[in-house]
Amino acid sequence: DGGITQSPKYLFRKEGQNVTLSCEQNLNHDAMYWYRQDPGQGLRLIYYSQIVNDFQKGDIAEGYSVSREKKESFPLTVTSAQKNPTAFYLCASSAGGGSTEAFFGQGTRLTVV
Amino acid sequence: QQQVKQSPQSLIVQKGGISIINCAYENTAFDYFPWYQQFPGKGPALLIAIRPDVSEKKEGRFTISFNKSAKQFSLHIMDSQPGDSATYFCAASGIGQGGSEKLVFGKGTKLTVNP
Repeated sequence: DGGITQSPKYLFRKEGQNVTLSCEQNLNHDAMYWYRQDPGQGLRLIYYSQIVNDFQKGDIAEGYSVSREKKESFPLTVTSAQKNPTAFYLCASSAGGGSTEAFFGQGTRLTVV
Repeated sequence: QQQVKQSPQSLIVQKGGISIINCAYENTAFDYFPWYQQFPGKGPALLIAIRPDVSEKKEGRFTISFNKSAKQFSLHIMDSQPGDSATYFCAASGIGQGGSEKLVFGKGTKLTVNP
């Protein structure tokens, strides 16, 4: 099945620890995105990438880091510098180059205690 | 800085009624305007999308109206059904800084359709 896979679905971490969220797609999409969803805040863009080895900061990049070493993978690291990391994180991909449909994963709910 | 403003935040309609959700944008570089539907605990899924060269697009009970001069677009759901109860997000896409394509979302509208 083609699609975008996020893992794990639920993640618990202690405050002060870095944590990496996985996002893999087999749609051969060039563009990938990470969003954070909080109640009443909608989807806020953290980072986005158009091609391998290149990515751009979104609106709320502070405290997060990403890499794009492979076309199909776009992992997000939530660092200890992120002041309020507990949230629902969504990864998406699209073919890009002309604004086409974005496909979302099922999300990872991160809880930091 | 919110690039896409969406209203209302919540909406309650009766079965068979019309649901209307509005969005406004500022960046004239945006050239693609999708609407996404999200059910609890799931990722959003594309519902319908429009480009600025047309003023209206209809797919079944869902219609997007687009006003380029006012930089506004709206989603109309005709004959609303309880199964339409979900959160709806408008979005806008265009080339951001660095030349990469950027997709930004409104804050969402929680729609409840009463039977």
